[in-house]
Amino acid sequence: DGGITQSPKYLFRKEGQNVTLSCEQNLNHDAMYWYRQDPGQGLRLIYYSQIVNDFQKGDIAEGYSVSREKKESFPLTVTSAQKNPTAFYLCASRPNLGSNQPQHFGDGTRLSIL
Amino acid sequence: AQSVSQHNHHVILSEAASLELGCNYSYGGTVNLFWYVQYPGQHLQLLLKYFSGDPLVKGIKGFEAEFIKSKFSFNLRKPSVQWSDTAEYFCAVMDTDKLIFGTGTRLQVFP
Repeated sequence: DGGITQSPKYLFRKEGQNVTLSCEQNLNHDAMYWYRQDPGQGLRLIYYSQIVNDFQKGDIAEGYSVSREKKESFPLTVTSAQKNPTAFYLCASRPNLGSNQPQHFGDGTRLSIL
Repeated sequence: AQSVSQHNHHVILSEAASLELGCNYSYGGTVNLFWYVQYPGQHLQLLLKYFSGDPLVKGIKGFEAEFIKSKFSFNLRKPSVQWSDTAEYFCAVMDTDKLIFGTGTRLQVFP
């Protein structure tokens, strides 16, 4: 079955540590997205990528980094510069650029600080 | 840039009550609008979408939404809710190839 796989489901980070969240899709979608979900704040866009080897900052990119070396993969690194990383992180993808197709979402990764 | 407002943060209903959740976006022109639902412990699922044509859009599970261009609104409705509709509901608008979400509405339905 085609879909978006996020791993791990739960992740714990020590203070000052970088961690990387995985997102893989086998839907052959061009565009991929990372959102952060906090209670009462909805989903806020961190980074997005419309094509391999290219990505753009979203609304809350500070303290995060991404790469898009392959079409199917869009890992998110939460760096030690992100002062409040505890949240639920959602990855999404969408077909062709400029299309009006909706985004598909993964199951999410819950990140907590030890 | 576009923004989305969802005015109801937490809604509590009894089963069989009617539901209307508000959603307003910030500016007009051609808009693509969506409602997503997140059931407890599950991923976001698309309820319905509007791109063009009939402003009354029907989605899954008996939900519908009406696009009113003059009011910049896309409210979600269901005539009779069920306990299984307990979830968080997000309105979203497409802005240059990325979705902008509202803050969400938590719906609790009691038997």
